[in-house]
Amino acid sequence: DAMVIQNPRYQVTQFGKPVTLSCSQTLNHNVMYWYQQKSSQAPKLLFHYYDKDFNNEADTPDNFQSRRPNTSFCFLDIRSPGLGDAAMYLCATSRDRVGGARNYGYTFGSGTRLTVV
Amino acid sequence: KNEVEQSPQNLTAQEGEFITINCSYSVGISALHWLQQHPGGGIVSLFMLSSGKKKHGRLIATINIQEKHSSLHITASHPRDSAVYICAVGGGSEKLVFGKGTKLTVNP
Repeated sequence: DAMVIQNPRYQVTQFGKPVTLSCSQTLNHNVMYWYQQKSSQAPKLLFHYYDKDFNNEADTPDNFQSRRPNTSFCFLDIRSPGLGDAAMYLCATSRDRVGGARNYGYTFGSGTRLTVV
Repeated sequence: KNEVEQSPQNLTAQEGEFITINCSYSVGISALHWLQQHPGGGIVSLFMLSSGKKKHGRLIATINIQEKHSSLHITASHPRDSAVYICAVGGGSEKLVFGKGTKLTVNP
C-alpha cells in the first residue's frame, strides 16, 4: 500500500548530540511536511518542501534543518537537541498545495517519538 | 489567522453510544480535515471535506460552509474508537491550522 513511513518509531538521543529523523513516501506526492507535536498540544509546522523548494516557518529554530534528496525521502536534522526538543515528530505529505478549487488530502506518517536524555 | 475551536475538549461515552464532536472556525476555508490520533501514535486522516457530508463505516462528517461549522459523528461507538480527534482547516496556503483536539474515551 502507498504510504508514509517514518523511521525510527522511537529515538533516544543525548543532549547536544545531532540526530536525524527519516520520512519516506511511496505516494509520489509533491509536498512533504514536518510537524512537531509536544504532549497535549496541536502539531506545529516546522517546514515543508514543495518539490525541491524549501519553506521554513518563521518561528522554527535554526537548530532544525531539513533535507529532501529526492521525491521519496525527507529528513529532519536536529543539530544540537535540547530537552525542550523532546516531542513527537510527524511527517505528512500532500499531492499538491491546498488552495483554490483544488483540495488535496494529507497523509501522515506514524511519527517518531524523540526523547532527549 | 484562522481560529479553530473544538468541543467538547473531553468526552466519555459508553460502548454503543452515538458520539458527536464539533468544530468551528473563523475564516472561510477550502478544506477541513478530521484526524484521529491514538495515544502515543501518529495521525490518521479520517476525512477531508469542502462541502456536504461524507461517510466511512461508522464515521460521518458534515460541514456547513455558511456557518463555518463541522461535526464528526460516530455511530455505535466502540472502545477502539478511544482516541484524540482533531479538526484542522487549510485555506489557500500549505499550512494546516489545528484545533486542540477532543479526547474521546469509550468504556465497555
